[in-house]
Amino acid sequence: DTGVSQDPRHKITKRGQNVTFRCDPISEHNRLYWYRQTLGQGPEFLTYFQNEAQLEKSRLLSDRFSAERPKGSFSTLEIQRTEQGDSAMYLCASSLKEGVRGYTFGSGTRLTVV
Amino acid sequence: DAKTTQPTSMDCAEGRAANLPCNHSTISGNEYVYWYRQIHSQGPQYIIHGLKNNETNEMASLIITEDRKSSTLILPHATLRDTAVYYCIGVNYGGSQGNLIFGKGTKLSVKP
Repeated sequence: DTGVSQDPRHKITKRGQNVTFRCDPISEHNRLYWYRQTLGQGPEFLTYFQNEAQLEKSRLLSDRFSAERPKGSFSTLEIQRTEQGDSAMYLCASSLKEGVRGYTFGSGTRLTVV
Repeated sequence: DAKTTQPTSMDCAEGRAANLPCNHSTISGNEYVYWYRQIHSQGPQYIIHGLKNNETNEMASLIITEDRKSSTLILPHATLRDTAVYYCIGVNYGGSQGNLIFGKGTKLSVKP
């Protein structure tokens, strides 16, 4: 069990560019979650998958954001036409169904839009 | 999910017990109380959870009041590595996906 891996750890991009982040969950976990965290705030829920199905999206997930989990394993989060307000830590977590035994979070991808 | 309130910050001396309170007066009968912590520059880490009974694991103890309106997370012998933001979260698995709704948490500083 290598935990939840996120790549890259840091990303600096120019405003207007597209970025994509990857998350590799714990292999036996069928649920995968994306969160966003800005400085001084707790993580905010963006979306989650059960296997390959995206079951819920937060209002925070604008049309510029898209997430996929094509084979029910790793997931990608893409942000198109980045804006400075997108600068944040993007966290991925995984769990067994419903996360009763807790979620396991990755270390996150820190995005800076300049 | 239940709204929880926590103090913004707390200090604790190294080696002493750290007692972190959480009020969740609107919690319903089937909502669990979860605790996570986040050390600087890392993702949140699950600590413990409970419904009605007190719980203990290798990391901490969770004391839930009988009326379930509040709880206390206890780190029995705090170390400098326990310095982190601690989040208390109410979670209802009754029909929702059970996603976590984080507040701002309590910033615990363990001092030598």
